[in-house]
Amino acid sequence: AQSVTQLDSQVPVFEEAPVELRCNYSSSVSVYLFWYVQYPNQGLQLLLKYLSGSTLVKSINGFEAEFNKSQTSFHLRKPSVHISDTAEYFCAVSEPYNQGGKLIFGQGTELSVKP
Amino acid sequence: GAGVSQSPRYKVAKRGQDVALRCDPISGHVSLFWYQQALGQGPEFLTYFQNEAQLDKSGLPSDRFFAERPEGSVSTLKIQRTQQEDSAVYLCASSLRTSGGPYEQYFGPGTRLTVT
Repeated sequence: AQSVTQLDSQVPVFEEAPVELRCNYSSSVSVYLFWYVQYPNQGLQLLLKYLSGSTLVKSINGFEAEFNKSQTSFHLRKPSVHISDTAEYFCAVSEPYNQGGKLIFGQGTELSVKP
Repeated sequence: GAGVSQSPRYKVAKRGQDVALRCDPISGHVSLFWYQQALGQGPEFLTYFQNEAQLDKSGLPSDRFFAERPEGSVSTLKIQRTQQEDSAVYLCASSLRTSGGPYEQYFGPGTRLTVT
């Protein structure tokens, strides 16, 4: 069975500092990996995804994540955070698409950016 | 264009009441998913439709939970005889399709259910 572990439940950081949100997964099949962001009282928004190809994927707002198959990790990084990045971040793995493609989420990491 | 909408946004039910939660997916999206997000947890899969067919209901926690999508667009999640442990945010997501995927799932804002 597939599973996702987010190693930090809360990450406080000062504005303009770098941040890394850690995610490890377990899967016996080829994986598709995702990071979703959830702002207060809003739904989940896709931040970035790894499907195949380059192991480094980037979002339009400066986040990036690297798929590391040997370490079964998909950590999310940003070199300089803004106050507006304060949100809950969820790592997810997708079930194989011929089985429906449901998402299996980690517990979430609350990123709190302080001025 | 319009995203996934859910109604009501908030629902308070007394223990034992039945509730119905509605999801309007993005027009033309074939696949529809329901997830349950308990406080402080990540979303957990409940059930999945492809058009009007419910292909996977393995995540429904009990037979008090029932979902339908009779015309392949709007979906309703019904919970009978609500219990306190049903308190959670119920998220709906739709995607263009899943066969030949992967396709991005677009999430609605959720319905926060509180059972008192």
